[in-house]
Amino acid sequence: DVQLMESGGGLVQPGGSLRLSCAASGFTFSSHAMSWARQAAGKGLEWVSATSGSGGRTYYADSLKGRFTISRDNSKSTLYLQMDSLRAEDTAIYYCVRQTDSGGYSGCFDYWGQGTLVTVSS
Amino acid sequence: EIVLTQSPGTLSLSPGERATLSCRASQTISSTYLAWYQQKPGQAPRLLIYGTSSRATGIPDRFSGSGSGTDFTLTISRLEPEDFAIYYCQHYSGSPKTFGQGTKVEIK
Repeated sequence: DVQLMESGGGLVQPGGSLRLSCAASGFTFSSHAMSWARQAAGKGLEWVSATSGSGGRTYYADSLKGRFTISRDNSKSTLYLQMDSLRAEDTAIYYCVRQTDSGGYSGCFDYWGQGTLVTVSS
Repeated sequence: EIVLTQSPGTLSLSPGERATLSCRASQTISSTYLAWYQQKPGQAPRLLIYGTSSRATGIPDRFSGSGSGTDFTLTISRLEPEDFAIYYCQHYSGSPKTFGQGTKVEIK
């Protein structure tokens, strides 16, 4: 079975940093692009970032303005999201998502983790 | 950036009734890259439909998708108690991969 397990969420002060991890199992990790999506409390879904199966291509939501960095370690079947200069509006549940493609450009989201909560507050 | 607008915001129906959810794109999109997701309270979203009309693995055939151009529809032929949830459409080609704001299907 495909499993995606996020970790690394928590409480951080505005301007701080946090690194999320997503441990994947049950499939050939390097064959799939991966994304992060987020959802603020009571709000809709927002795509954050994607990376190709090799990690060589990355894509970001314009609203992040270079504050977040997605990466992956295929030897560990793990996806990461480095979040810097965090703001209150970044408070959300962050989901690790498997895409159906390998390139990262055109796959839908066929498996989702349960999410990890990031709270940005002083 | 493509904007997806879902309507109605909330749909109040009874079990057994038919649900029709709309997703309108701000410009013409390829039907290859339109998906629908279901989200229940406290759970992660689940893929229902991809490529406008293809059901994901394990999705019952009471769920169907249609549309082209800028107008897309998710239909639930006969609502079961477990279908009351929030539904999101998504355009997943390119960047950003945008979601609609969601339609809540609630029990009348």
